[in-house]
Amino acid sequence: AQSVTQPDIHITVSEGASLELRCNYSYGATPYLFWYVQSPGQGLQLLLKYFSGDTLVQGIKGFEAEFKRSQSSFNLRKPSVHWSDAAEYFCAVGGTGGSYIPTFGRGTSLIVHP
Amino acid sequence: DAGVIQSPRHEVTEMGQEVTLRCKPISGHNSLFWYRQTMMRGLELLIYFNNNVPIDDSGMPEDRFSAKMPNASFSTLKIQPSEPRDSAVYFCASTLGASGGGDTQYFGPGTRLTVL
Repeated sequence: AQSVTQPDIHITVSEGASLELRCNYSYGATPYLFWYVQSPGQGLQLLLKYFSGDTLVQGIKGFEAEFKRSQSSFNLRKPSVHWSDAAEYFCAVGGTGGSYIPTFGRGTSLIVHP
Repeated sequence: DAGVIQSPRHEVTEMGQEVTLRCKPISGHNSLFWYRQTMMRGLELLIYFNNNVPIDDSGMPEDRFSAKMPNASFSTLKIQPSEPRDSAVYFCASTLGASGGGDTQYFGPGTRLTVL
């Protein structure tokens, strides 16, 4: 069965600093990979997704993620964090083997200091 | 597009009462998911519908929980009787169903349920 690990429960950065959120997955083939963001009191919103092709994926709000097959990773990055980026970030693997059901990581809470 | 609509946004009830949560998916989407989010357990899938038919309900905690999707534009999640441990945020999400596992999930704003 596929799985997703987000090793960092909380990440604290200063406004303007760079950001990298880690995500590792377990799946034999190349999966569909997603990053979602959840702002306080809201539902999850798609930031970006990877299916195939270029391993560096650009998303909304200045975020990007890089798929590394050798490391089974799909880390999320942003060069300069804004206070409004404070939120919960979820990595997810799309359903496989005919399943439409994704697997979500536990999430990483991003705290931004002024 | 209004996005996924959930009601109510907040629900406070007493133990033993029946609770009904409602969801309207995005028009044209043929898959609908109910999730529960808590600090302890994170985001859990409760049930998944495709073309109004329940496909996977293995995440439904127990017989107190039931879900229906009478048509493509409406779904309900019912808890009867409710218990304090059911307190959580319940999300509904829909997908277009065109890319299988590659579909983007569109989440509603959630219903925060508190059972006293």
